[in-house]
Amino acid sequence: DAGVTQSPTHLIKTRGQQVTLRCSPKSGHDTVSWYQQALGQGPQFIFQYYEEEERQRGNFPDRFSGHQFPNYSSELNVNALLLGDSALYLCASSLDGGAGTDTQYFGPGTRLTVL
Amino acid sequence: QKEVEQNSGPLSVPEGAIASLNCTYSDRGSQSFFWYRQYSGKSPELIMFIYSNGDKEDGRFTAQLNKASQYVSLLIRDSQPSDSATYLCAVKTGGFKTIFGAGTRPFVKA
Repeated sequence: DAGVTQSPTHLIKTRGQQVTLRCSPKSGHDTVSWYQQALGQGPQFIFQYYEEEERQRGNFPDRFSGHQFPNYSSELNVNALLLGDSALYLCASSLDGGAGTDTQYFGPGTRLTVL
Repeated sequence: QKEVEQNSGPLSVPEGAIASLNCTYSDRGSQSFFWYRQYSGKSPELIMFIYSNGDKEDGRFTAQLNKASQYVSLLIRDSQPSDSATYLCAVKTGGFKTIFGAGTRPFVKA
């Protein structure tokens, strides 16, 4: 049973560039959430995708955008990178069972460094 | 007030003792509560989830939920050095957003 996978593992970009991160959910899952985790902090919710639509968004600027494909995989795009975007980006998948009860499983994460 | 708060101070636990990790949350409409373990350089790993008031036990772990006090805790019995990690409390609000605390880092001394 394949777990959540993410690519790439590590990425180094410079300020102003754009980046795309990818995620494949756990087999049988249909919902993907993205999180940003700064060093020493808990993960911060960016947004969640279900049925190819963004259905909830956290407190992140429009520079952060995403997409979900028909096979449930997802991408996170970040434009005009800032130094403060350096973080571990986590993808979590779950099976939609209505608001309040789905359990999320995390991928290994992508470490983004912005120079 | 932070939405999910955990005691972040150093937590030293003798090997074999019980580690007690606490978490409070601000949204009374929160429905689901999770504990994740995260080793340094790794991603969070689900330990337990709890939805109803009371205790839930799984192996050496016990989660306790008190919605009236907006409090959830995790007990780790017979603590081992391998339990030294960051434990993240996560709370699912009435929508689809999950909010994480900053984590508690118990250090189990052999």
